[in-house]
Amino acid sequence: DTEVTQTPKHLVMGMTNKKSLKCEQHMGHRAMYWYKQKAKKPPELMFVYSYEKLSINESVPSRFSPECPNSSLLNLHLHALQPEDSALYLCASSLRDRNTEAFFGQGTRLTVV
Amino acid sequence: EDQVTQSPEALRLQEGESSSLNCSYTVSGLRGLFWYRQDPGKGPEFLFTLYSAGEEKEKERLKATLTKKESFLHITAPKPEDSATYLCAVKTEKLVFGKGTKLTVNP
Repeated sequence: DTEVTQTPKHLVMGMTNKKSLKCEQHMGHRAMYWYKQKAKKPPELMFVYSYEKLSINESVPSRFSPECPNSSLLNLHLHALQPEDSALYLCASSLRDRNTEAFFGQGTRLTVV
Repeated sequence: EDQVTQSPEALRLQEGESSSLNCSYTVSGLRGLFWYRQDPGKGPEFLFTLYSAGEEKEKERLKATLTKKESFLHITAPKPEDSATYLCAVKTEKLVFGKGTKLTVNP
């Protein structure tokens, strides 16, 4: 099973709202990732967690706050977003944060109004 | 700076017309090269991992190869369901994606 599950699939939020994106995997992977993808562009790395510790933050604005409660779960907390933050948010996981392939979820389509 | 360049940006083929997609890279400390397929509005689907020059992987109509500077994704006798964007990514300290090749296969 190479499944990464993301919820919700779609989210519309106002600029003053607080919401969270969730990601879950049960493959025993110890590295988890958040990517942002705009239309017709490749995925852009936001955060990397390795063994539940934040190892990479790609200078992401503080209105995006990641959390890794345990080795199977990854959250992305959203607060005071801007319309330009509207995008497909992808979660991925890999066995290790080294040279192993990453498996992606189906994404959350976020629209900020 | 690590760079990944895919070509062509878009490719239209007739069903059964074989072709190749290119991914060239300049990175320091390559830890792996990955091919993904992405359908509109969906997450990338993992296809292949290549680690060293000369390595080849096959899956159905797809074959991926790797040299020291580039990788090719060969598509043999494609079908309309092969239409998608194909992404190449290289792993150094992190996973760096190319911009992708949008493949359209007409029946």
